Amino acid sequence: DTGVSQDPRHKITKRGQNVTFRCDPISEHNRLYWYRQTLGQGPEFLTYFQNEAQLEKSRLLSDRFSAERPKGSFSTLEIQRTEQGDSAMYLCASSYPGYQPQHFGDGTRLSIL
Amino acid sequence: DQQVKQNSPSLSVQEGRISILNCDYTNSMFDYFLWYKKYPAEGPTFLISISSIKDKNEDGRFTVFLNKSAKHLSLHIVPSQPGDSAVYFCAASVDGTSYGKLTFGQGTILTVHP
Repeated sequence: DTGVSQDPRHKITKRGQNVTFRCDPISEHNRLYWYRQTLGQGPEFLTYFQNEAQLEKSRLLSDRFSAERPKGSFSTLEIQRTEQGDSAMYLCASSYPGYQPQHFGDGTRLSIL
Repeated sequence: DQQVKQNSPSLSVQEGRISILNCDYTNSMFDYFLWYKKYPAEGPTFLISISSIKDKNEDGRFTVFLNKSAKHLSLHIVPSQPGDSAVYFCAASVDGTSYGKLTFGQGTILTVHP
């Protein structure tokens, strides 16, 4: 069990640029989640997938954000025209179906200059 | 609208003593609760969970208590160890499983002194 992997671990970019993050879930997990965590707060739900279908999106996910999971395996989260307020830790989690906890990756820290 | 609240930002405990972390929720639809531990520069790690049909769940040094009428849960760590020093998050889910999205509290920083 190799765990949830996220890449890159840290991304620094200028305001207005586009960024893309990748998440590789635990291989047997069919559910994949994205969360965002800002300083002093707990993770906040953004969106989740069951296999390749995106089943729910938070109101936090503005139209500048898009997430995909094209083959039901890895997922990407893209932020277009980044803003200062996008600076945060972006966490990915995956889970089995059933009464199982979500397993988190170590996150991608986004810093907007 | 903070549906899950951890009102204590920090807790300091002596090694060997009990640590009690508290969490309150407002959404009566929540029926599955989890505790996660987070070290700096790492993602949250699952600790223990409890379904709303139970009022207690134990796993080694960790016990979670659920009081549905008070919409309150707590995590007890006995005995506390310096390696337990971390940020602890409670989280809750609707729909009877941990399938769905988790709603997290703000976290409590636990420091265990040797």
